[in-house]
Amino acid sequence: AQSVTQPDIHITVSEGASLELRCNYSYGATPYLFWYVQSPGQGLQLLLKYFSGDTLVQGIKGFEAEFKRSQSSFNLRKPSVHWSDAAEYFCAVALMNSGYSTLTFGKGTMLLVSP
Amino acid sequence: DTEVTQTPKHLVMGMTNKKSLKCEQHMGHRAMYWYKQKAKKPPELMFVYSYEKLSINESVPSRFSPECPNSSLLNLHLHALQPEDSALYLCASRGQPLTEAFFGQGTRLTVV
Repeated sequence: AQSVTQPDIHITVSEGASLELRCNYSYGATPYLFWYVQSPGQGLQLLLKYFSGDTLVQGIKGFEAEFKRSQSSFNLRKPSVHWSDAAEYFCAVALMNSGYSTLTFGKGTMLLVSP
Repeated sequence: DTEVTQTPKHLVMGMTNKKSLKCEQHMGHRAMYWYKQKAKKPPELMFVYSYEKLSINESVPSRFSPECPNSSLLNLHLHALQPEDSALYLCASRGQPLTEAFFGQGTRLTVV
């Protein structure tokens, strides 16, 4: 079955340090991949997406992600983390479910930013 | 306008109450979704509407009743809920299959 795995439940990064959040997918065909961010009690905001083409995609708020088919990964990166980046991050894959498009989410990674 | 608007933001209801959650989008999207999210968990799909017709019901109890009055609006009618139904309810919409979904800010529901 198709799935998305985020191996890290929590990650703590110092402000100004670089960040990498891991995401692995299990999917036979070319996946449609997304990273969303969620602040406490809020909805999900799309950071970036990958459909095809250039495997390094740029998103909002200085985030980028790299699609690596050989590793079945779509890791999220940011060169310098700001305190406002503290939030829950979800990796997701778009799938066809009974003929309709749905999102399957990873379990999320909570990012904590230390001063 | 890439906004999905949900009302109310917060709702407290008793187990015998009837209430409704509302969701609105004006992006011309023809697919709309309800998700339920418990604390520290990812969103779980409840319902999918496509062209105003219920397309997927993920075995959701009948105390949750979705409705899509037109292409811009999605409602979730609540009746006789249980305390374990307390959660963040998220609405989303999508323009084309397999593209990104746009989420509302959610309704924080507490059942007492």
